Amino acid sequence: DVKVTQSSRYLVKRTGEKVFLECVQDMDHENMFWYRQDPGLGLRLIYFSYDVKMKEKGDIPEGYSVSREKKERFSLILESASTNQTSMYLCASSLRTSGSSDTQYFGPGTRLTVL
Amino acid sequence: LAKTTQPISMDSYEGQEVNITCSHNNIATNDYITWYQQFPSQGPRFIIQGYKTKVTNEVASLFIPADRKSSTLSLPRVSLSDTAVYYCLASSSGSARQLTFGSGTQLTVLP
Repeated sequence: DVKVTQSSRYLVKRTGEKVFLECVQDMDHENMFWYRQDPGLGLRLIYFSYDVKMKEKGDIPEGYSVSREKKERFSLILESASTNQTSMYLCASSLRTSGSSDTQYFGPGTRLTVL
Repeated sequence: LAKTTQPISMDSYEGQEVNITCSHNNIATNDYITWYQQFPSQGPRFIIQGYKTKVTNEVASLFIPADRKSSTLSLPRVSLSDTAVYYCLASSSGSARQLTFGSGTQLTVLP
């Protein structure tokens, strides 16, 4: 079974703090993703990575950066947290396939509150 | 970008068959349709995926008509534990940039 773990289930930070959200997958997947989930808006893609040190912006990258130094680990960084970044953050990974759409495996999520 | 549209919510009773439809008018030729299920305080999990016609697995069926402008997730004989949010996604391999989950459908199964 694929396992995707996230460093924290709940996190409370103050405005202006630098925040790191960590994600680790144990199935040697090439692709990793960061989403945020807000009521009524579904899941929105922040950033994704298709290989070590490779990253691409998703739909809402503003205010975020990412790091992927090792294949199994993908970090989301909030350089200066703001209250509008209070949200549920979900990490996912997928094995790059051909001839079909990659199935994503999600972590349990981190609920971040910025005060 | 393949945008999907789903009903915001649906109610059903235990034992009934539930059909959730997803519209995807501008789906790309190489896009597959994937459905995910999400329970509260958990990440979404894969249910079923298809390209055309009908796909069935142990938990659901997926119907995709020939024009591929919509798809229907069918849950046979739902139980209370099927209460969840269901997301439809149109995407193809290697096109992570195109991933847009949309708002999902909240299914509530009543006793």
